[in-house]
Amino acid sequence: EDKVVQSPLSLVVHEGDTVTLNCSYEVTNFRSLLWYKQEKKAPTFLFMLTSSGIEKKSGRLSSILDKKELFSILNITATQTGDSAVYLCAVEQRGGGATNKLIFGTGTLLAVQP
Amino acid sequence: EAGVTQFPSHSVIEKGQTVTLRCDPISGHDNLYWYRRVMGKEIKFLLHFVKESKQDESGMPNNRFLAERTGGTYSTLKVQPAELEDSGVYFCASSAWTGTYEQYFGPGTRLTVT
Repeated sequence: EDKVVQSPLSLVVHEGDTVTLNCSYEVTNFRSLLWYKQEKKAPTFLFMLTSSGIEKKSGRLSSILDKKELFSILNITATQTGDSAVYLCAVEQRGGGATNKLIFGTGTLLAVQP
Repeated sequence: EAGVTQFPSHSVIEKGQTVTLRCDPISGHDNLYWYRRVMGKEIKFLLHFVKESKQDESGMPNNRFLAERTGGTYSTLKVQPAELEDSGVYFCASSAWTGTYEQYFGPGTRLTVT
């Protein structure tokens, strides 16, 4: 069965800390891996990773994919209280026809304390 | 540019009643997806439209769920009759037909069946 596993389930840090969130997967017909940030409502898109070893960066956030070991990490440096959210990892599965559906992990709840 | 919108944000209905959820994708996005998160579980795929055509509805729980996308713009998801286990958050996402296909999510509709 296809699955995406995120760890840790939750994490509490202080402002300024660096955190690493993990995502491992076993998904057939892999197309890409995506990270989303969910604060209150809509999951907001962070990164899409398709190739191994190429780091994607956006400000204090960065992510990398290892397609051989089937995992990805999301790093957040110099955390701020505004980084508090649930971080979702999803693997895009290439399906029949035109469908590329997302298979989600349960998320990592990050709380950044002042 | 407006994001994906969903209506209503929250619906409380009694078991046996009918509810219709609406999703307006990002303008110009041909791909429209429905997902659902039930309590304590991960977000799961329900179905996928390309324009007005259903491409994959393998995630639909049963025949009490009916999705439509007439005209290839907004989509509706009807639950009739609703059961207690249908409670959860229903997300809609859309993506472009070309490019990197990342899916952008709406804020979700929280459905509570009592």
